[in-house]
Amino acid sequence: DIQMTQSPSSISASVGDRVTITCRASQTVGTWLAWYQQKPGQVPKLLIYAASTLQSGVPLRFSGSGSGTEFTLTINSLQPDDFASYFCQQASDYPLTFGGGTKVEIK
Amino acid sequence: EMQLVESGGGPVQPGGSLRLSCAVSTFTVSTNYISWLRQAPGKGLEWVSVIYSGGSEYYADSVKGRFSISRDDVNNTLYVHLQMDSLRSEDTAVYFCARGSRTATFLPVFDYWGQGTVVTVFS
Repeated sequence: DIQMTQSPSSISASVGDRVTITCRASQTVGTWLAWYQQKPGQVPKLLIYAASTLQSGVPLRFSGSGSGTEFTLTINSLQPDDFASYFCQQASDYPLTFGGGTKVEIK
Repeated sequence: EMQLVESGGGPVQPGGSLRLSCAVSTFTVSTNYISWLRQAPGKGLEWVSVIYSGGSEYYADSVKGRFSISRDDVNNTLYVHLQMDSLRSEDTAVYFCARGSRTATFLPVFDYWGQGTVVTVFS
């Protein structure tokens, strides 16, 4: 199985900051990687797929990059609505696997 | 817009069984890759199983041999069921069904989610 490792597990940031979250795969997944946002008590929301393609309706301050085994999710100019947990998911092989998550908290 | 509604969760003793169901409202929208995922209390997301419209099924290692996914069309509503047998305490979680999309991805990513149903395995 492909193991997905996210770092950091949590980050404290202020409104307006740039935040970068890293996701590493135990073997190459090409660009078959997605990012999700989940707020407390809510269902996950797809933000990015194919490593860098923004899902419809997602603000442009979100961006994704990477290929192979290392990926990043960047949030430019963090907004109050962005304080949430973020998960990566590989879509290269079954079983599909997720990273452990990164919680973005208010500093 | 697509809606997915889960049902069938509840408390169950270890070794017991439950059958979860997911009703998918917009049958005309692609429903080729409906999946079940779960999230244990305070934990991350775990993919459980997927069923393709052609009938192919895939499972997470942690549930293989214990869980079974199926789908059927009743009065133009798609139902995707997850039969869960030999339940363990570690199966306690919120179970979500979600629509998988393979637009520009090799395997499914999940763009529509139900609200989830809670499964609690306790002795």
